[in-house]
Amino acid sequence: DTAVSQTPKYLVTQMGNDKSIKCEQNLGHDTMYWYKQDSKKFLKIMFSYNNKELIINETVPNRFSPKSPDKAHLNLHINSLELGDSAVYFCASSPESQTDTQYFGPGTRLTVL
Amino acid sequence: GNSVTQMEGPVTLSEEAFLTINCTYTATGYPSLFWYVQYPGEGLQLLLKATKADDKGSNKGFEATYRKETTSFHLEKGSVQVSDSAVYFCAVANAGGTSYGKLTFGQGTILTVHP
Repeated sequence: DTAVSQTPKYLVTQMGNDKSIKCEQNLGHDTMYWYKQDSKKFLKIMFSYNNKELIINETVPNRFSPKSPDKAHLNLHINSLELGDSAVYFCASSPESQTDTQYFGPGTRLTVL
Repeated sequence: GNSVTQMEGPVTLSEEAFLTINCTYTATGYPSLFWYVQYPGEGLQLLLKATKADDKGSNKGFEATYRKETTSFHLEKGSVQVSDSAVYFCAVANAGGTSYGKLTFGQGTILTVHP
């Protein structure tokens, strides 16, 4: 049973395109996150949703738009892709408590050519 | 905001060697502290955590103690194995306030263990 799943695992696309990454969790958690990991392995939070409500929105270009149709899903749509968007994007989820463990998906490696 | 500083890597050890990866943090209030591990090609998974001062987190032979006086959470293992080769991330999370559930990560330390 996959706890946090992401699709696709790999995404290669041209500059200027629009793409989406999907995330689903079957843990019954209330909170979901998107993180970006750069080529040096540095991880930074992008967004957090709690019960479909946006909680954390870090300084991310507005080309990035998260969407949460229900509390088990948090998708990430990226418009007008740029070379600098190339990274691994991780989805995660956690129960309601603010200090609970976060459970990460396997990641989506995005390459913008 | 919170910040985490980890020992720079990469770290290369022989099997059965002793491992220490240093981690210090800055945070307000009473944060929780975590070590996450990322095996090659995978997402992060929790290795251990501590939620209050002097707590010791432990898992799979790894240990870390929450030291509030030195704002540190160093990771140790007495005898590493080849299978421990991975990237290790120290992280801090605040309880309360507007940083709801936000994990702040260190830069990661790449560990390679040779037979």
